[in-house]
Amino acid sequence: KAGVTQTPRYLIKTRGQQVTLSCSPISGHRSVSWYQQTPGQGLQFLFEYFSETQRNKGNFPGRFSGRQFSNSRSEMNVSTLELGDSALYLCASSLSGTQYEQYFGPGTRLTVT
Amino acid sequence: KNEVEQSPQNLTAQEGEFITINCSYSVGISALHWLQQHPGGGIVSLFMLSSGKKKHGRLIATINIQEKHSSLHITASHPRDSAVYICAVSPLTGNQFYFGTGTSLTVIP
Repeated sequence: KAGVTQTPRYLIKTRGQQVTLSCSPISGHRSVSWYQQTPGQGLQFLFEYFSETQRNKGNFPGRFSGRQFSNSRSEMNVSTLELGDSALYLCASSLSGTQYEQYFGPGTRLTVT
Repeated sequence: KNEVEQSPQNLTAQEGEFITINCSYSVGISALHWLQQHPGGGIVSLFMLSSGKKKHGRLIATINIQEKHSSLHITASHPRDSAVYICAVSPLTGNQFYFGTGTSLTVIP
């Protein structure tokens, strides 16, 4: 079974730009969660999607958004990038939510200059 | 306010030593997860617990729901166990995670 894939793996953007990251879950998994990891804050929950619906969102500004498609693939978007958005963005998939085993993708390393 | 507290933050051990990492949490949970992250970023789920004890090879995880506490034990530690270990809880309130700050483990040959 193929694992969780994330594209792109590395990205360099300029302040003020926007970025879209993609996550393809394991086949059959309907829940996709997104996380931000920085040296200062550690891992933080961004949002969770199940069957195209956002069920929960972490404490992040509205510049961070996401969506899930009918095939369970998910995208997250960050608009008006700030230097502090530089981070490793991880997604994870599971059968039905965070009370199930999570399978993480390799992450997208975003650098904002 | 940190919903999840992990200790120690850093741990250095000699190969073969028994290692314990602790996790305390303050919210009601549906599950607790132990994650392993190697340099380079990849995260692997080691255990998911809602009660009792689980064992995979040299790794053992326990949870005490009443005391809101979990431990991860590594028996006969090996240099390849060197990684960051992260405790995460899925609260009863919904589909999200609260994360501990992680324990950086270095096992010296």
